[in-house]
Amino acid sequence: GNSVTQMEGPVTLSEEAFLTINCTYTATGYPSLFWYVQYPGEGLQLLLKATKADDKGSNKGFEATYRKETTSFHLEKGSVQVSDSAVYFCALSFTGRRALTFGSGTRLQVQP
Amino acid sequence: DTAVSQTPKYLVTQMGNDKSIKCEQNLGHDTMYWYKQDSKKFLKIMFSYNNKELIINETVPNRFSPKSPDKAHLNLHINSLELGDSAVYFCASSQERQSPLHFGNGTRLTVT
Repeated sequence: GNSVTQMEGPVTLSEEAFLTINCTYTATGYPSLFWYVQYPGEGLQLLLKATKADDKGSNKGFEATYRKETTSFHLEKGSVQVSDSAVYFCALSFTGRRALTFGSGTRLQVQP
Repeated sequence: DTAVSQTPKYLVTQMGNDKSIKCEQNLGHDTMYWYKQDSKKFLKIMFSYNNKELIINETVPNRFSPKSPDKAHLNLHINSLELGDSAVYFCASSQERQSPLHFGNGTRLTVT
């Protein structure tokens, strides 16, 4: 079946540090890949997405590149802020089965 | 202006009771979902409806019954609540063949 594996958290960084959250997937075929962010007490919000190999999704300084050869979609940001503290979810989906399959989430804590 | 709204936000009840959670979306989407998020933040799809038709029904106890009176509403009824049902339940919606999912802010269910 399809699955998504994320690095265990929490990830604790100082403000302006570089962020990488690893995500790898297992799927039959070529899914679309997503990163969602969940701020405390809120629902999930789409952060970025990529629909085919070598696509790069980007938003709010975050980036992730769809790597078919390594089945990965790692999330990066060059300089994190305290306001980036949240739980980040990697996910995949296929057209025709619109439900997302999520990873287990990675909590990011950014300290001032 | 809320795109996906769930009620109630918090629900505390005793074992054995029956409760419902309501969800409404004003985005004009044709597909709605219920996800369960456990205490470790893991998200799992429970149900999905497309134009009021059930299209995804994951391995969920029969005590959980979704109902979609129209494509803008998807309610979740839970019979004979158990301690293990304690979780945050998220409603989401999307447009057919397109992503992303739009999530509500969740309903935190606590069964005592």
